[in-house]
Amino acid sequence: KQEVTQIPAALSVPEGENLVLNCSFTDSAIYNLQWFRQDPGKGLTSLLLIQSSQREQTSGRLNASLDKSSGRSTLYIAASQPGDSATYLCAGLGIYNQGGKLIFGQGTELSVKP
Amino acid sequence: DTEVTQTPKHLVMGMTNKKSLKCEQHMGHRAMYWYKQKAKKPPELMFVYSYEKLSINESVPSRFSPECPNSSLLNLHLHALQPEDSALYLCASSQRQGAEETQYFGPGTRLLVL
Repeated sequence: KQEVTQIPAALSVPEGENLVLNCSFTDSAIYNLQWFRQDPGKGLTSLLLIQSSQREQTSGRLNASLDKSSGRSTLYIAASQPGDSATYLCAGLGIYNQGGKLIFGQGTELSVKP
Repeated sequence: DTEVTQTPKHLVMGMTNKKSLKCEQHMGHRAMYWYKQKAKKPPELMFVYSYEKLSINESVPSRFSPECPNSSLLNLHLHALQPEDSALYLCASSQRQGAEETQYFGPGTRLLVL
């Protein structure tokens, strides 16, 4: 059974700092891994998707990596800004799950202080 | 256009009421999902529709009744809900293209059951 864990649960950093959010999963038979951002009371915004054959994806100041052998993914945020404050969720899609069932981690609540 | 829309944004209902949540997407996606999200928790999958047929029901109580009238619309009918059903209800859609399947989420409906 796939389990996804995110650490830390909460993170507070000063503006301008580079930071890394961690996601680990127990089943390496993963189809892809998706990173989301969620603002309080809002829906989820897809940030990056990494296919199982890929090692990383980049979008602007965001870089996500995937290491299937170790069961880990990281989301790197460069030069953080107060507008980056949100909860970040990673979710894995199992390789045998054609129904599209995402398994979510508990999320990391990020606060970037001006 | 990667937009999933949901109506209403907010809903307050009594335990004897019948109401419906609506979700719409025009991306041509053939998989649509309902998730329930409690405060400070990740989304929990409720239902998956694939090609307008119910493919996954995560043992959801019968007071929640999903419906997929066509490939663009997804409804969730609510009847005789309990206060503990108060939550953010999220709709999502996706389409597997080769090795990539990205789920796109709507903004959610905030439900309060009194």
